[in-house]
Amino acid sequence: AQSVTQPDIHITVSEGASLELRCNYSYGATPYLFWYVQSPGQGLQLLLKYFSGDTLVQGIKGFEAEFKRSQSSFNLRKPSVHWSDAAEYFCAVAPNTGGFKTIFGAGTRLFVKA
Amino acid sequence: DTGVSQDPRHKITKRGQNVTFRCDPISEHNRLYWYRQTLGQGPEFLTYFQNEAQLEKSRLLSDRFSAERPKGSFSTLEIQRTEQGDSAMYLCASSSGQGARETQYFGPGTRLLVL
Repeated sequence: AQSVTQPDIHITVSEGASLELRCNYSYGATPYLFWYVQSPGQGLQLLLKYFSGDTLVQGIKGFEAEFKRSQSSFNLRKPSVHWSDAAEYFCAVAPNTGGFKTIFGAGTRLFVKA
Repeated sequence: DTGVSQDPRHKITKRGQNVTFRCDPISEHNRLYWYRQTLGQGPEFLTYFQNEAQLEKSRLLSDRFSAERPKGSFSTLEIQRTEQGDSAMYLCASSSGQGARETQYFGPGTRLLVL
């Protein structure tokens, strides 16, 4: 079955510290991969996406993600977290034949402490 | 602002009532999606339109749910005889449909509470 697993329900990091959010997927073939961020009361904002090519993908707000085919993972990283990064982060996959029926993980809520 | 908009942003209703939500996609986008997001979960796909044609429906979309996109622009999602289990955030997204490598852009959502 197709699925996305975000093992950490919530993570707390200190401001200025590095961040890594984990994402593993189960899919028949290499899908397209996405990370979205959702602030309270807001819709989803796309941080970055992977379609093919370079497995290290740069996104907005200083985020990057690395696709590892052997591990079926697409972990999100940021070298230095800002208080404004506190939000919910969703990893998602979509079939590489078209972007509909995107499957989302359950999300990881990030708390940032001063 | 040319982003995806949704109306209303919040809706409180009593069980058994009908509700209707509206989504206005980005103007040049011909694909439109509806998702449902419950507390503590990621969005779940409900249905998808290519222009005015509804091409895919999830089994989550029971017969009490109906979605339309009559002119290939805005879309409505109606829930009849609401149940408490319908309480959720309903998200709309749109994409350009230019090919497989498309990105969905999400609206702010409509939060429904069924009492």
